[in-house]
Amino acid sequence: SYELTQPLSVSVALGQTARITCGGNNIGSKNVHWYQQKPGQAPVLVIYRDSNRPSGIPERFSGSNSGNTATLTISRAQAGDEADYYCQVWDSSTAEVFGGGTKLTVL
Amino acid sequence: QVTLKESGPVLVKPTETLTLTCTVSGFSLSNARMGVSWIRQPPGKALEWLAHIFSNDEKSYSTSLKSRLTISKDTSKSQVVLTMTNMDPVDTATYYCARMDDSSGYSLDYWGQGTLVTVSS
Repeated sequence: SYELTQPLSVSVALGQTARITCGGNNIGSKNVHWYQQKPGQAPVLVIYRDSNRPSGIPERFSGSNSGNTATLTISRAQAGDEADYYCQVWDSSTAEVFGGGTKLTVL
Repeated sequence: QVTLKESGPVLVKPTETLTLTCTVSGFSLSNARMGVSWIRQPPGKALEWLAHIFSNDEKSYSTSLKSRLTISKDTSKSQVVLTMTNMDPVDTATYYCARMDDSSGYSLDYWGQGTLVTVSS
């Protein structure tokens, strides 16, 4: 089965740029989505199809995907960005798969 | 306004069958570009995809749980139902349903609030 690997935690200084990676075999050939989950809340879609932002998601959130790694980038990190972040892929060969999640801490 | 809401028992006993219902509004389950997924999250752990169903009744299941899961839909009631047999304490989790939209690469663009299911005797 297809697996997605994320770092358990990432720390970023307030106002700096955070990068959260998602590794998978030839993930660059798949559509990658990213979700933000704050404690006690349902996940929220922040990036779809590698690099697209849903309505209402700040431009500070961006994504890229190539080779074996997809990356979620959060620019000018704010305290409110502290959350767990999950990558996800879906296609006919993998069905739906989530990464293990990354806890983002803003220092 | 798109909404999804999960409903079902809060507590189930080991070996029992869990039945969860996702009631949707703001979109139709007959929309060719839409589907609904079920996802669960044990306390303090990661998200785990369980199953999804599309408007044409195409279904897909998690490989590890396939033998225990059944997903179905009632378009007239705007409901998607998930059953999971032979429940075990390790199945204790918050269960979410979410919409899949073709226009966003079948990402999960709207989620329900989730429902916590505890498995205990």
